[in-house]
Formats: sequence, structure tokens, C-alpha cells
Amino acid sequence: ELKVEQNPLFLSMQEGKNYTIYCNYSTTSDRLYWYRQDPGKSLESLFVLLSNGAVKQEGRLMASLDTKARLSTLHITAAVHDLSATYFCAVDGYDYKLSFGAGTTVTVRA
Amino acid sequence: DTGVSQDPRHKITKRGQNVTFRCDPISEHNRLYWYRQTLGQGPEFLTYFQNEAQLEKSRLLSDRFSAERPKGSFSTLEIQRTEQGDSAMYLCASSDDLSGGRTDTQYFGPGTRLTVL
Repeated sequence: ELKVEQNPLFLSMQEGKNYTIYCNYSTTSDRLYWYRQDPGKSLESLFVLLSNGAVKQEGRLMASLDTKARLSTLHITAAVHDLSATYFCAVDGYDYKLSFGAGTTVTVRA
Repeated sequence: DTGVSQDPRHKITKRGQNVTFRCDPISEHNRLYWYRQTLGQGPEFLTYFQNEAQLEKSRLLSDRFSAERPKGSFSTLEIQRTEQGDSAMYLCASSDDLSGGRTDTQYFGPGTRLTVL
């Protein structure tokens, strides 16, 4: 069974500083997704990473994938308040479904 | 393209009652998924359709749960004899086809929040 672990589970960020969320997974995959969820809302797709070494950037967020290490990172640059949300990584395990991590709840403070 | 829609958005029911949820996927997507999300957790896979065929069911999906996707369009998820442990957000997602067991980006609906009293 594919296991996906995120850390940290909670992240209190100070505005303007940089932070990283880590996503480890247990079996081979070369396809990983990052989603954002605001409280009481559904999941919004942020990035899809399709191969080893893939890097995607959108605004203050940058995601990367190392399939050999079974690790993806989501890097936040110069945090701002509107990045407060829960971030999930999800791994495609070659079985038509996604396996999600538990999520990282991000709070950005002034 | 209005995205994935779900109805109702909220449902409060008494233990033992039956409930049914509806999902309308993005129109050109052949694949439709149901997930369940409890507070503080990531979504957990429940079941998956390729067109009208239900191809996989999680062991989380007890005999009280049934899902259909007639004609490969909208889908319904029914829970019979609800229990308090069924309280959760039920999310529907849809995606394009990919071969070899792969899944393309899944787009999620707003969810149906079920509360069982």
C-alpha cells in the first residue's frame, strides 16, 4: 500500500520569510500533485510533477520532485497572508487513484 | 466548462437514515472518483468509474455504500443506514483518460458535508 507522509503537519510562517514543506512516499512513482485547500472548501490543483527532477513555479510557490529519493518539496518564498491554507501532496500509484498525505496547515502571521 | 459540481453541499441526517449525493463531472472527463475526507486528514479514495463502469472500490466502502454512474455522466453515492462514523466531507473528482493505470490531474468538486446525528 502506498504511504504518503508530509511534514510538518503544522507550519506557522512569518511574513516575508521562506519555508519548505516535505512530501515523502513509499513506493515508486513519477507523478505527484500538490493541492491547496482553504477552510471549508474543496481542493485546488497547484502543480503536477511528471518526472524526476521536475520543477514547477507559480508566484511564491515552487514544487520539485526527486523520484529516486521518493521526495517532493513545496517551497514558499517570502510568505504572505493569502498563502494561509492546507497544502496536500498526492501521489499517483499506477492504480488509477491518488494517495494523499495528511496535509500541512499553514498559517502566515505578520 | 463550469467544473465539477456536487449536490447537496450540506446534509444533516439522523442515524439510520439513507442519504444520496450527486456529482456532475467536467463534461469531457471519462473518469470519476469519490473520496472521503475527515477533519484534519487528506482525502481517502472510495471508488472510481471509467465511463459507466465501476472499476475499483476501496475496502473503506462497506456494504452500506453504493455508487453508480449511469450512462457515464453524473454519479450518485448512496449511504444506507447511516452511522455517526459516516460524518465526513464527500468529495467527487473527475479527470481525463491516461493509459497504464495512470491518472491525469483530478479536479475536485466543492464536496458534500455529511453530518449524522
